[in-house]
Amino acid sequence: NAGVMQNPRHLVRRRGQEARLRCSPMKGHSHVYWYRQLPEEGLKFMVYLQKENIIDESGMPKERFSAEFPKEGPSILRIQQVVRGDSAAYFCASSPQGVNYGYTFGSGTRLTVV
Amino acid sequence: EDQVTQSPEALRLQEGESSSLNCSYTVSGLRGLFWYRQDPGKGPEFLFTLYSAGEEKEKERLKATLTKKESFLHITAPKPEDSATYLCAVQAVGNNAGNMLTFGGGTRLMVKP
Repeated sequence: NAGVMQNPRHLVRRRGQEARLRCSPMKGHSHVYWYRQLPEEGLKFMVYLQKENIIDESGMPKERFSAEFPKEGPSILRIQQVVRGDSAAYFCASSPQGVNYGYTFGSGTRLTVV
Repeated sequence: EDQVTQSPEALRLQEGESSSLNCSYTVSGLRGLFWYRQDPGKGPEFLFTLYSAGEEKEKERLKATLTKKESFLHITAPKPEDSATYLCAVQAVGNNAGNMLTFGGGTRLMVKP
């Protein structure tokens, strides 16, 4: 039973390009969460999704960032027109029915903007 | 606003030297307090969930305890393989807030042989 799969593991983008981060939740998990870990900072909540629905996006920057979790396929975190400050590790977590049932984190995508 | 503060930021121990990590929290209503371990280049790995003051949980050399204002992660006779960053997080009571975790900055533990 594979865990939470994130790809790519490492992503390098030039300023102004788009970054697409993918997350496949654990089998049987229908809840997906995205967190960002900036250098020397703690994990910060970004967005919580269920299939085809954004439940809570209170941690998402208002511009350039979007997330989706389609009926089929992985969850996608999209960052448009990346800037150097977007460089961070982005972690996806999944759970079967909300955080009370336990988060399982993926290994993260490390985004570097040059 | 929910806040989680972990101390110390870094801790060096000799193998076998027991110690405790602190997690102080401020939250409108606590639904759960979580401990995770994070190794370099990897995602956090779940250790414990505590729900009410006085609760304790153990796993091998680790024991987590909870009061109304803080949690401790006690490490008994640590080994070099316990070296990692330990993260504390709280889940608040509330609608959407109930499904997100607020993390502390972590304690980086280094155990020397």
